Amino acid sequence: GNSVTQMEGPVTLSEEAFLTINCTYTATGYPSLFWYVQYPGEGLQLLLKATKADDKGSNKGFEATYRKETTSFHLEKGSVQVSDSAVYFCAPPLIMDTGRRALTFGSGTRLQVQP
Amino acid sequence: SAVISQKPSRDICQRGTSLTIQCQVDSQVTMMFWYRQQPGQSLTLIATANQGSEATYESGFVIDKFPISRPNLTFSTLTVSNMSPEDSSIYLCSVRPSGSTDTQYFGPGTRLTVL
Repeated sequence: GNSVTQMEGPVTLSEEAFLTINCTYTATGYPSLFWYVQYPGEGLQLLLKATKADDKGSNKGFEATYRKETTSFHLEKGSVQVSDSAVYFCAPPLIMDTGRRALTFGSGTRLQVQP
Repeated sequence: SAVISQKPSRDICQRGTSLTIQCQVDSQVTMMFWYRQQPGQSLTLIATANQGSEATYESGFVIDKFPISRPNLTFSTLTVSNMSPEDSSIYLCSVRPSGSTDTQYFGPGTRLTVL
C-alpha cells in the first residue's frame, strides 16, 4: 500500500517568510497527491492537488510539484501570512483492493506564523 | 465539490453509552468514509461505507464498536458504542464524488468527549 512521511512540526515563521513543508511518499503506480489544511477549530479543506508526475498544484499562494523521481510533494509558499497558521496534511490515496481507494494522511505539520 | 453536514457538531457523553453521528451530503455519492482524529493527531480511516452493502472496516476497527449505516447515496451514520474516554476524538465524514478519481471532501467533524 501507499504511505507518506511528513515533516515534523511545529514550524514557527515570521510573517512574509518562505515556507517549505516536506512530504515524501511510497506508492504503487502514480496516484494523485494532495495537501489538505485544517484551520483552528475548523474541518479539513482541500488546499491543492496534482494528478500526475511533474504536475504543479497551486492555491492561495501555495504550490507543490509532483516529483516522481524523488517521490516527493513538498508544499511551498513564498510569503506566509498570519492567516496561514494551521495544520497541513499531505495525503496520497491508499489503494486497498479492486481499485477502492481512500486518502491516508501524514502526521500533519502545524504552522504558526507570527506577526 | 460536495457540501457535507454532520450532526451533532459536538457532544459530551458518559462512559458506557453510545452516540450516533449523522452525515448528510448535498449530492449523491458512491463512496463515503468515516475517519477519526484523536487529540493532536492525524486522521485515521475507520471504514468505508457503501450503499447497499456492509461497511468495510480498517485494521483496528470493528463493526460491534463502530456500526455504520448507509441507507442511501446521500446519508450515513456512524455509531460509537459502549464509549470510553479513549474514544474522545473528532469523527469526520468524507465523500468522494463520482468522477473525482481520488479527491475527497470532508464534513466539519463531530467533537466527542467521553467522561
